[in-house]
Amino acid sequence: KQEVTQIPAALSVPEGENLVLNCSFTDSAIYNLQWFRQDPGKGLTSLLLIQSSQREQTSGRLNASLDKSSGRSTLYIAASQPGDSATYLCAVRGSSGSARQLTFGSGTQLTVLP
Amino acid sequence: DVKVTQSSRYLVKRTGEKVFLECVQDMDHENMFWYRQDPGLGLRLIYFSYDVKMKEKGDIPEGYSVSREKKERFSLILESASTNQTSMYLCASSKFPEKLFFGSGTQLSVL
Repeated sequence: KQEVTQIPAALSVPEGENLVLNCSFTDSAIYNLQWFRQDPGKGLTSLLLIQSSQREQTSGRLNASLDKSSGRSTLYIAASQPGDSATYLCAVRGSSGSARQLTFGSGTQLTVLP
Repeated sequence: DVKVTQSSRYLVKRTGEKVFLECVQDMDHENMFWYRQDPGLGLRLIYFSYDVKMKEKGDIPEGYSVSREKKERFSLILESASTNQTSMYLCASSKFPEKLFFGSGTQLSVL
């Protein structure tokens, strides 16, 4: 059974710092991996989706990488801002692409201090 | 942009009541999902649907049912609400097997 781990559970950084959030998964036979942001009491907002054949995806200050063989993905946030404070979750979809095979990590709570 | 709309942000119900949570998406997505999110337990899949009138149980379907009569609408039904169903409920939709888009969530309290 796929397991997705996000460490650390919480992270606090000063404004302007570049940072990396980690996501690891136990079964490398994946279809794709998606990163989300969640603000307190709100739904999840999709940030980036990486297909299993891709190595990275970029959107603005965000860059997500995928290393299937090692079971790892990272979300790089450049020049962090207080508005980036939120919980970041990754979700892995299994190789069949089935919705049943979507597994979420428990998230990293990021605080960017002004 | 895809819009997934959940009918209520906050809902307070009594034990034993029948509760309907509604979700509508505007992008003609085949797949729709209901999750619940609890502190320390993360997101757990309740039910999902891959087409009109089609549904499949997720990891925690007990105490819930769903209805998908039209492609854009997916309803979650709590047949007889209980206090352990107090939770944040999140609806999502996607075009198979691409990006998942979530609604803003419904915080349900069962008293």
